[in-house]
Amino acid sequence: QSALTQPPSASGPLGQSVTISCTGTSNDIGRFNSVSWYQQHPGKAPKLLIFEVTSRPSGVPLRFSGSKSGNTASLTVSGLQTDDEADYFCSSYAGSNTLVFGTGTQVTVL
Amino acid sequence: QLQLQESGPGLVQPSETLSLICNVSGGSITTRDRGSSGDYWGWIRQPPGKGLEWIGNIHDSGSVFYNPSLRSRVTISVDTSRNHFSLKVTSVTAADTAVYFCARRKLPYHFDLWGQGALVTVS
Repeated sequence: QSALTQPPSASGPLGQSVTISCTGTSNDIGRFNSVSWYQQHPGKAPKLLIFEVTSRPSGVPLRFSGSKSGNTASLTVSGLQTDDEADYFCSSYAGSNTLVFGTGTQVTVL
Repeated sequence: QLQLQESGPGLVQPSETLSLICNVSGGSITTRDRGSSGDYWGWIRQPPGKGLEWIGNIHDSGSVFYNPSLRSRVTISVDTSRNHFSLKVTSVTAADTAVYFCARRKLPYHFDLWGQGALVTVS
């Protein structure tokens, strides 16, 4: 059970968009629609942004959106704000009641 | 409003056992939403400067699932009378140094509520 692969860093201009990829295998992302995304500010607990690939919990802005194609999931943050500077982690159900997280991406707002 | 809070020693000696408790306040660990069989409660850890690692989940019925890579050293248990669940990791090494988070797992498989985290150093 290997960690999902994310780019170490990503950036985008204030007000623009950034997309983060999360690559797994046919045994996790490719098989199940249980991809989630979390935002983590330094020293804080992760916050759920997206679940079931595209669903947003109550209170999460529409600026955050998720998608999936094959073994790769993506998170797009539109209308970048300074508070969007954080680490972002994906996760996926991997079968047999197990979960795997991504390696994490640090987002910088330019 | 439901809240989770980790507690336990911040320093553990190598080869000893790491023990943490997650206290659930503001609601019952056995609460059932209509039509739901209840939630799972999980542990996730994060070594300093690194990514998240799922450790395992437990249901208030006692049903438990572990990360295969940690299964031989990890035990998660639940005490519904005290409204908390626990984590034990045996034979710890420096590689077990991490911030340990407890969280509520919702269906199908995401964590919607997290504790603030507890740093445990193995030294």
